[in-house]
Amino acid sequence: AQSVTQLGSHVSVSEGALVLLRCNYSSSVPPYLFWYVQYPNQGLQLLLKYTSAATLVKGINGFEAEFKKSETSFHLTKPSAHMSDAAEYFCAVSVYSSASKIIFGSGTRLSIRP
Amino acid sequence: ETGVTQSPTHLIKTRGQQVTLRCSSQSGHNTVSWYQQALGQGPQFIFQYYREEENGRGNFPPRFSGLQFPNYSSELNVNALELDDSALYLCASSLGTEDTGELFFGEGSRLTVL
Repeated sequence: AQSVTQLGSHVSVSEGALVLLRCNYSSSVPPYLFWYVQYPNQGLQLLLKYTSAATLVKGINGFEAEFKKSETSFHLTKPSAHMSDAAEYFCAVSVYSSASKIIFGSGTRLSIRP
Repeated sequence: ETGVTQSPTHLIKTRGQQVTLRCSSQSGHNTVSWYQQALGQGPQFIFQYYREEENGRGNFPPRFSGLQFPNYSSELNVNALELDDSALYLCASSLGTEDTGELFFGEGSRLTVL
């Protein structure tokens, strides 16, 4: 069965600093991988997705993630954090045969220090 | 384009009662998935409906049931409420069941069970 593990329930960075949110996946078949963001009192919004094309995936709001099969990782990065990036971030996985039954990680709360 | 809407946004019930949550899918989407998000956790997949039929179910007991209507809107019903059912219930719509996994989420219904 597929799953994802997010390392660090809370990450705090200074405004303008690099953002790195870690995600490792487990899947016996090639997965689809996603990052979703959840702002306070809102639903989830797709940031980016990996579907076996390019391993470096660019998303909205300047975020990107790199699929590394050898490390079973799909870490999310952004070169320069902005105050508006403060939110909860979820890594998620699915397999092709049931692409919409997405399995989410436990989330990482990103805080931005002025 | 109309997004995913959920109702009610907040509700309070007592143990043993029953609750019905409603979801209108995004225009053109024929698949609805329901997730339960407990405080501080990632969303957990409850079930998915595609063209009015259940199309996959997560690890939830039978007292969690659902419906999808011809207009693709959906209901989540929970009988015999327990304290642990307190959570944010998220509805997500998508086009088909084997797309690239992009789910469009509503803002959720927050259920408190006393």
